[in-house]
This record gives sequence, structure tokens and C-alpha cells, in this order.
Amino acid sequence: AQSVAQPEDQVNVAEGNPLTVKCTYSVSGNPYLFWYVQYPNRGLQFLLKYITGDNLVKGSYGFEAEFNKSQTSFHLKKPSALVSDSALYFCAVRDIIRAAGNKLTFGGGTRVLVKP
Amino acid sequence: DSGVTQTPKHLITATGQRVTLRCSPRSGDLSVYWYQQSLDQGLQFLIHYYNGEERAKGNILERFSAQQFPDLHSELNLSSLELGDSALYFCASSVFETRTANEQFFGPGTRLTVL
Repeated sequence: AQSVAQPEDQVNVAEGNPLTVKCTYSVSGNPYLFWYVQYPNRGLQFLLKYITGDNLVKGSYGFEAEFNKSQTSFHLKKPSALVSDSALYFCAVRDIIRAAGNKLTFGGGTRVLVKP
Repeated sequence: DSGVTQTPKHLITATGQRVTLRCSPRSGDLSVYWYQQSLDQGLQFLIHYYNGEERAKGNILERFSAQQFPDLHSELNLSSLELGDSALYFCASSVFETRTANEQFFGPGTRLTVL
């Protein structure tokens, strides 16, 4: 079974400071990893994904994420946070084993609050 | 705007009733997924359809059913509704089926309130 853990319910950061949102995963095989963001009363928006290759993945709106196989982590980062980055962030995993299907398993979400 | 549309945006109904949620995927996407988002359960995968065929089931109750039509739109039917079914229901779509890392694009959701 696949699972995702986001250990922090909320992250507070000052505008202009680096932002990190943590994610660890568990799959039986190799993972596909995703980050999504959800603004109030909106659907989830895709930010970035890791398939294979470079461990540092760059995505939308200046976000990037680092894949660490030994630590089974996929932390989301942004060098300089903006107030507009305040939202709910979800990490998701998909096992590439065919039998696991195409479903995404999501973490519980981390609320990011960027203060001016 | 992801290109995935869902109707209605809001739905208020009573316990024991039946409702139908509708989803139109992005143009060209053959896969449709349904998810439920609630405060206590988080985001949970319900069911996946690919080109009209059911491909995978998640934590979907027997009172719930879904289908994907020839024009690729999908409907999620919820019956014998209970208070605990109140949640945000998302539809997502992607191009292909499996063995690819296509991201899923989410609709704005339907907020269901069961009174």
C-alpha cells in the first residue's frame, strides 16, 4: 500500500524568507511524486512532479522540490515566499507498479501562511 | 482554469436522498477520477474510469456509483445520503491510463451538504 505523510499541519513564514513544506512517502516500488496547491474554494492546482532523473524538480510559480530516495522524502521549497503563496499544499504519490493503478494517494495537507 | 468542469458547484440535500454530480474532463483526456475531500478523512480516491471503463476503485461506498459516458463526461451518483457524506467532491482528468506519470487536472469541485 502507498502512503504519504505531511508532518506539519501548518507552516508560518515571513514574506521573502525561504519556504519548505515537508513530505515523506511509502510505496512498494518506485514512486511518481506530485505537489498540488489548493486556494480557498478552488480545486487543486498542479505544481510539479518527479518521475525519474534529476532529484531537484522545478515547477510552477518558482517552486521546486527535492527527491531523496534514501530518506523517502519529497520536500517542496521556494527560495523567497510571497503572501500570495498562502494556501493548502498537498503531496501525492503514485506507485509505478501497474497493479497499483493510477490513483493518487494524498497527504493530509499543510497550510502555509506567509505573513507580510 | 484547469479545463475540467464540474456541476453543480453547491448541492444541499437531506438524508436519504440521491444526488448526481457531473464532470466534464479536459478536451482530449480519456481518464476521469473522483475524489472526496472531507475534514476527517482528507483527500480520498474514489474511482477511476478510462475511456468508459472502470479501472480502479478506492474507498468508495456501495451507496456510491459512477460511470463515464461515450462523450467522456462522468457522473458520480450518491444515494441513501448520510450526514457523513457531506464533503467536497472533486473530479480530475488526465490523458492516459497507467504506466505514465501524467499529472491529473482537477475541477473546482462540488460541495455537498447533507442536512
